[in-house]
Amino acid sequence: GEDVEQSLFLSVREGDSSVINCTYTDSSSTYLYWYKQEPGAGLQLLTYIFSNMDMKQDQRLTVLLNKKDKHLSLRIADTQTGDSAIYFCAEGYSGYALNFGKGTSLLVTP
Amino acid sequence: DTGVSQDPRHKITKRGQNVTFRCDPISEHNRLYWYRQTLGQGPEFLTYFQNEAQLEKSRLLSDRFSAERPKGSFSTLEIQRTEQGDSAMYLCASSLEGSLNTIYFGEGSWLTVV
Repeated sequence: GEDVEQSLFLSVREGDSSVINCTYTDSSSTYLYWYKQEPGAGLQLLTYIFSNMDMKQDQRLTVLLNKKDKHLSLRIADTQTGDSAIYFCAEGYSGYALNFGKGTSLLVTP
Repeated sequence: DTGVSQDPRHKITKRGQNVTFRCDPISEHNRLYWYRQTLGQGPEFLTYFQNEAQLEKSRLLSDRFSAERPKGSFSTLEIQRTEQGDSAMYLCASSLEGSLNTIYFGEGSWLTVV
């Protein structure tokens, strides 16, 4: 797939909100995803949003989708040090594969 | 079920050797996927199976890469004649056909080719 773009780095203070942004490429993507990866580990599915939705909230996570601009964001409320990780945006394509961005490294400082 | 399981977690091999990775998907999942992740990059799709059928393999990186899922349960990914450029993490994922909202990944298998 073509490039899914994410900013590479974000630093926030503990207790603040974090917003991670992503621009995707395929307007026909049915689902868009956010995955979390801790050092040396695999990918953890955090949340997903169906393409006909504008927003999805799941506890501390809020996903916003702007289909017109092909823009996806992940907001983490009350960010904790345990949220420090790499966050990947991904778009589904061809009905089976995921096209990932390069990931955003989130650093949460005390 | 505890999720997608991969083995080995780490493998160091000499250039030119063959390596094989195994993936055990979530038991009721009929789709199984392989991805590769290099340092600083997102995962890159390689191939996938629906039951025992390999439905897409054009994205395998070269003819040195092959995957099997003979009984529609576990899968293996083999790399023949490894090269240093093959050093990466190989990730397996699984899902139910038609449930693209829930694709779960394993912990990955790290390969270092020396």
